[in-house]
Amino acid sequence: LAKTTQPISMDSYEGQEVNITCSHNNIATNDYITWYQQFPSQGPRFIIQGYKTKVTNEVASLFIPADRKSSTLSLPRVSLSDTAVYYCLVGDGNDYKLSFGAGTTVTVRA
Amino acid sequence: GAGVSQTPSNKVTEKGKYVELRCDPISGHTALYWYRQSLGQGPEFLIYFQGTGAADDSGLPNDRFFAVRPEGSVSTLKIQRTERGDSAVYLCASSLRDGYGEQYFGPGTRLTVT
Repeated sequence: LAKTTQPISMDSYEGQEVNITCSHNNIATNDYITWYQQFPSQGPRFIIQGYKTKVTNEVASLFIPADRKSSTLSLPRVSLSDTAVYYCLVGDGNDYKLSFGAGTTVTVRA
Repeated sequence: GAGVSQTPSNKVTEKGKYVELRCDPISGHTALYWYRQSLGQGPEFLIYFQGTGAADDSGLPNDRFFAVRPEGSVSTLKIQRTERGDSAVYLCASSLRDGYGEQYFGPGTRLTVT
């Protein structure tokens, strides 16, 4: 049973806000939600991690509703360089294995 | 500072040959991980080292795969009798501590078995 479900792809334009929603209906009490970004020919890069409510850093915001069964990664004012695959991961705070799904391919157009 | 580095960046080998893939983690990171990524898929966990010991090798697909980290820094992933199905990008990551935190990935080694 997949831990997370996210759209396969999304298209956007420069300057727009991109919101990627991830479903994780079976999230456990000790699970955290983490997002990674991967550019072609590079390894994944950590973007943001959260447990509940809202987390914001210089790159993105992560919104987590009270039931924690979904989360939304928000990328403000995207540019062409934000074109990448974005992975939503859910895992126990003590779990060192990262379980990646297929991710969401975000394509930003001029 | 320097990130995780992996060598070679590309490796082409013939079926049945032996290959070694090298990973240099970020200095001071005690935890090291190997993942494998096939085209169009996310990375899959292979093995985890804490210091010199392999704490979890449950992701290694079979006994042709082996990894070492003799001095607790550089790690080598070794694949014997390579098969065409081994073709993938092999990613190494390191972290300051284990647990579900930030892992820093290298650029990967693209292995092609012909």
